[in-house]
Amino acid sequence: AQSVTQLGSHVSVSEGALVLLRCNYSSSVPPYLFWYVQYPNQGLQLLLKYTSAATLVKGINGFEAEFKKSETSFHLTKPSAHMRDAAEYFCAVSDSRQAGTALIFGKGTTLSVSS
Amino acid sequence: DVKVTQSSRYLVKRTGEKVFLECVQDMDHENMFWYRQDPGLGLRLIYFSYDVKMKEKGDIPEGYSVSREKKERFSLILESASTNQTSMYLCASNRGWETQYFGPGTRLLVL
Repeated sequence: AQSVTQLGSHVSVSEGALVLLRCNYSSSVPPYLFWYVQYPNQGLQLLLKYTSAATLVKGINGFEAEFKKSETSFHLTKPSAHMRDAAEYFCAVSDSRQAGTALIFGKGTTLSVSS
Repeated sequence: DVKVTQSSRYLVKRTGEKVFLECVQDMDHENMFWYRQDPGLGLRLIYFSYDVKMKEKGDIPEGYSVSREKKERFSLILESASTNQTSMYLCASNRGWETQYFGPGTRLLVL
């Protein structure tokens, strides 16, 4: 069965510091992988996705993620954190069981940014 | 611009009430999904639909049913609301393997 593990339910960084949010997945088939962001009282917004093209994926707001098959990882990074990056981040993998391409989500990582 | 709307942002219901949560998308997507979001548990799939009148159970369908009579609309029904169904409910839609677009969510409180 596919699954997603996000290491660290809460990550705190200072403004201007590197952001690293970790995601590991398990999948028996080549996965599609996603990072979503949720700002307070809002729905989820796609940050970036991997669909078997380039392994380094660039997303919105300066975020990027690298697909590493050997490590089954898809970690999210941003070189310099801004206050507006404070939000909850979800990693997800496409669910191959479902014809409708549902997603299996990790439990989320809350990012706090201090000035 | 892509749009998924949900009928209510906040809802308060009594135990035993029948509750309808509505979701509408304007992108002509064939797939629609209902997720439940709880702190520390992430999002869990309740039901999804890949066509009008078609539905599939997700990981936590117990206590819920769904209806999709029109392509743009997907309803989640709590037949008899219970306190353990207090949660945030998120609707999403997509086409094929493309990105899922999410609505703003409905925060349901069952008293």
